Amino acid sequence: EAQVTQNPRYLITVTGKKLTVTCSQNMNHEYMSWYRQDPGLGLRQIYYSMNVEVTDKGDVPEGYKVSRKEKRNFPLILESPSPNQTSLYFCASSRGPGQGSNEQFFGPGTRLTVL
Amino acid sequence: QQQVKQSPQSLIVQKGGISIINCAYENTAFDYFPWYQQFPGKGPALLIAIRPDVSEKKEGRFTISFNKSAKQFSLHIMDSQPGDSATYFCAASRWSSASKIIFGSGTRLSIRP
Repeated sequence: EAQVTQNPRYLITVTGKKLTVTCSQNMNHEYMSWYRQDPGLGLRQIYYSMNVEVTDKGDVPEGYKVSRKEKRNFPLILESPSPNQTSLYFCASSRGPGQGSNEQFFGPGTRLTVL
Repeated sequence: QQQVKQSPQSLIVQKGGISIINCAYENTAFDYFPWYQQFPGKGPALLIAIRPDVSEKKEGRFTISFNKSAKQFSLHIMDSQPGDSATYFCAASRWSSASKIIFGSGTRLSIRP
């Protein structure tokens, strides 16, 4: 089944404790992105990647890191989480305009709480 | 210049009625306008999308109307059903760089039986 998977789905942590949220897609998509969803603010892009080793900042990159060492994986790293990073996080992938489709396929989400 | 403004924030419609959600964008370079539908506990999924070479696109009960001069686009759901109850997000981007996409703030739609 074509899908985007995220782990963990739920995470409660404390301020300052480094964490990684994994994202993997099995559709051979070039593009991958991370978003956070907050009430009243919609989906805001954190980082995106256009291919292996090619990443760029979205609208709210502060406090986050990403890497794209393999095409299928795009982990989100919070080096020192703070309470204002409590949110619902989504990973997404797409084929990209070069392959005729910009449809974003979203993962199921990771609900993060930072105490 | 990167914002996409979406309204209303929430909407209640009777079953069989028409649901209308509006969005406005600022960046005239945007040329790809998708709508995503999100059910509780799920990730968003593409519902319908339009490019500015047409003023309207229809897929079943869902229609996008696009007004390039006003920089506005809207989603119309005809014969709204309880199963349409979800959160809807409009978005905008440049087709050539659609990895950089701006989403609206979302509309929570409830269809009353």
